[in-house]
Amino acid sequence: AQKVTQAQTEISVVEKEDVTLDCVYETRDTTYYLFWYKQPPSGELVFLIRRNSFDEQNEISGRYSWNFQKSTSSFNFTITASQVVDSAVYFCALSEAAGNTGKLIFGQGTTLQVKP
Amino acid sequence: DTGVSQDPRHKITKRGQNVTFRCDPISEHNRLYWYRQTLGQGPEFLTYFQNEAQLEKSRLLSDRFSAERPKGSFSTLEIQRTEQGDSAMYLCASSEKTGYGYTFGSGTRLTVV
Repeated sequence: AQKVTQAQTEISVVEKEDVTLDCVYETRDTTYYLFWYKQPPSGELVFLIRRNSFDEQNEISGRYSWNFQKSTSSFNFTITASQVVDSAVYFCALSEAAGNTGKLIFGQGTTLQVKP
Repeated sequence: DTGVSQDPRHKITKRGQNVTFRCDPISEHNRLYWYRQTLGQGPEFLTYFQNEAQLEKSRLLSDRFSAERPKGSFSTLEIQRTEQGDSAMYLCASSEKTGYGYTFGSGTRLTVV
């Protein structure tokens, strides 16, 4: 069965601290896709990154970086030098290639609060 | 194309009433998804359309829920005889193919009183 677990419900940091959001997934499929989305208070889900199961290269985009490890079924997200504008709920999601519907399975989300 | 549009943004209804939401996907996207998000939870999959065909429905989609996508364009989600437990954010997303280009709308927040 497919499942995404974000064990951290809430994280609070002070501005400029680094913070890592954890994501662990379960799937029987060998081909799958992992995503991170940001949901600010306005409610819209904002796409951050997509990674397919065959690409384990870590990625850095500005202050954001992602660590994908198939051996531990984890896809963690790090924000370096956090800013108040990073405050939001962050979701990790999984989409399996098998079955071809492409539906996203989301974790419960991690609420990040960055204090000035 | 300005993305995925959902209407209305907010809906307050009395228990027992019927409500209908609309989603306009990105025009080139033939895949359309509905999700429901309750407070403090991640979005949960409700149903999937490929063009006009509804190909998957979650067990969360009770008999009171129905979704359509006539002509493979916009989609509607109707809830009949609403209950307080239906209060949630209803999100629509479209994509071009599996694993690519999911774009979400701003959602419709339903409150059943």
